[in-house]
Amino acid sequence: QVQLVQSGAEVKKPGASVRVSCKASGYTFTSYDINWVRQATGQGLEWMGWMNPNSGKTVYAQKFQGRVTMTRNTSITTAYMELSSLRSDDTATYYCARDGSFVFDYWGQGSLVIVSS
Amino acid sequence: SYELTQPPSVSVSPGQTASITCSGDKLGDRYACWYQQKPGQSPVLVIYEDNKRPSGIPERFSGSNSGNTATLTISGTQTMDEADYYCQAWDSDTWVFGGGTKLTVL
Repeated sequence: QVQLVQSGAEVKKPGASVRVSCKASGYTFTSYDINWVRQATGQGLEWMGWMNPNSGKTVYAQKFQGRVTMTRNTSITTAYMELSSLRSDDTATYYCARDGSFVFDYWGQGSLVIVSS
Repeated sequence: SYELTQPPSVSVSPGQTASITCSGDKLGDRYACWYQQKPGQSPVLVIYEDNKRPSGIPERFSGSNSGNTATLTISGTQTMDEADYYCQAWDSDTWVFGGGTKLTVL
């Protein structure tokens, strides 16, 4: 069965960077784009960008351009999202989601990132 | 940038029909999806390509999309349907989510 398993919670100081991983299994990793979505506590879903694991092509939401980097390691079927220059308002749960042909059909369990001095 | 607008909250009595709207410029010209999210859980796809249900989603969930508005309809709403619902659409190589609607069943 398709699974996306994300890395654990992180606590970071303002100005630091965080990298969240998303381990995919149960399907051909390079055949489906991976998206990243975040959600601050009590707030809505915010799309951050997508990556094609086959080509490595990325498209980022304008809000995050310059601060976000999405990469992958196809040998271990894992996608990564790195966010730099962290601020307190980056405190959120970060989700990876598989794009199953223009629909997010599988989601990871979420990774909580807390930014605090 | 493209925007999708949802009402913050909708209330419905058990057994009645709930309708949640999602508005965007010429939204009917593109596909809309809907996700359900319960507290502490990841979102779950309930409707895709305007009106298709993934396997495992009850028949009481349906969708439509025309003009500037997509609508998620839940017929015979059950208490288990109480959740946040988000619409989503594709625009120029990017994804957009609506702000979310909290559905209260009481």
